[in-house]
Amino acid sequence: QKEVEQDPGPLSVPEGAIVSLNCTYSNSAFQYFMWYRQYSRKGPELLMYTYSSGNKEDGRFTAQVDKSSKYISLFIRDSQPSDSATYLCAMSGDNYGQNFVFGPGTRLSVLP
Amino acid sequence: KAGVTQTPRYLIKTRGQQVTLSCSPISGHRSVSWYQQTPGQGLQFLFEYFSETQRNKGNFPGRFSGRQFSNSRSEMNVSTLELGDSALYLCASSLGEWDNKNIQYFGAGTRLSVL
Repeated sequence: QKEVEQDPGPLSVPEGAIVSLNCTYSNSAFQYFMWYRQYSRKGPELLMYTYSSGNKEDGRFTAQVDKSSKYISLFIRDSQPSDSATYLCAMSGDNYGQNFVFGPGTRLSVLP
Repeated sequence: KAGVTQTPRYLIKTRGQQVTLSCSPISGHRSVSWYQQTPGQGLQFLFEYFSETQRNKGNFPGRFSGRQFSNSRSEMNVSTLELGDSALYLCASSLGEWDNKNIQYFGAGTRLSVL
């Protein structure tokens, strides 16, 4: 079992749809949870950051972390064609020396 | 504040050659991590440097090496290139200290093609 699993996609939705992207993980030591967006041929760009369990909202984006289930989600409301990208979940532990671990990514296409 | 800068953006090399990639982190960031990204394997961790010392290492052969300078700039070297080394190499910087938000910020990457 991989340390971080992510819905494989690809995912195609119509413009305006609500998108749900999900990751599961196995290491209970993870405390920091991030979502990155990566456009084609570019580096990943940080979208959302959450420490420990709970929800965080930023505009059209909401990140949820459920540490008891080892499950994190990113919701995109009113999706736009500009949201078409690959979304990577990432996580790390509390110790400064711990590696960051990334999910394999989900490619999202929002169709106009 | 300037972001993470990677140079060069593109490289074409032949098998057996060696290559050096450069990364300048965000000002004030002391940790620099390197990743290899390929369509089949996704983002794979190479190594992390903090205060000029390698702090973490992934599962890559010894042909992949790195270093960090006193100004936190980092270089990654790949010797005896193989076709399978063709990938996007990403550098990420973070504050790197345990009592700070542990967030990594990425550069645009160096796309290496090995012929």
